[in-house]
Amino acid sequence: DQQVKQNSPSLSVQEGRISILNCDYTNSMFDYFLWYKKYPAEGPTFLISISSIKDKNEDGRFTVFLNKSAKHLSLHIVPSQPGDSAVYFCAARGNTDKLIFGTGTRLQVFP
Amino acid sequence: DGGITQSPKYLFRKEGQNVTLSCEQNLNHDAMYWYRQDPGQGLRLIYYSQIVNDFQKGDIAEGYSVSREKKESFPLTVTSAQKNPTAFYLCASSNRPDTAFFGQGTRLTVV
Repeated sequence: DQQVKQNSPSLSVQEGRISILNCDYTNSMFDYFLWYKKYPAEGPTFLISISSIKDKNEDGRFTVFLNKSAKHLSLHIVPSQPGDSAVYFCAARGNTDKLIFGTGTRLQVFP
Repeated sequence: DGGITQSPKYLFRKEGQNVTLSCEQNLNHDAMYWYRQDPGQGLRLIYYSQIVNDFQKGDIAEGYSVSREKKESFPLTVTSAQKNPTAFYLCASSNRPDTAFFGQGTRLTVV
């Protein structure tokens, strides 16, 4: 049973436009949600996170929105840049420190 | 420099042999994690440890073993019981619920 789901395997966005990456979860006990960017054959890089008591967190071009009633979060990247092309993972953590990842969304930003 | 070091970057193993992957961190983090990534797949949790001398199974622990004798070290042994060990292995550490940091990974290939 996959507790964290990223239902879009890929997304293609034009440079300068907004990229929206989505993530759904099933466990209402998750306290924190994290987003990572990953290049092939490298470790994921932490981008931004949000606590379950908030509905929005912003850091530069990256904003994460959390809708607890829908068990849904999204990562917005504005404006998108070619260097943003990578695989993005969302992850969720409960009170046991267990950190569970989704399957990832491949973002391609084209000129 | 502070960080998480995984070694070696590439590892080859003959079928039927055990092999140990190293993960060391000098960030003074309590929690450490091991994940496995297969081509085109997400990150699946193998084992995690919240504190020295304690660890818990993740979602795919069968065929793997770990130890946490020191805070800075969390080695992963891939045993001969692991039926499909060829994969990219990632180690992470954390001291806060809203972040976790990864090493650069070890690619294990069974020959």
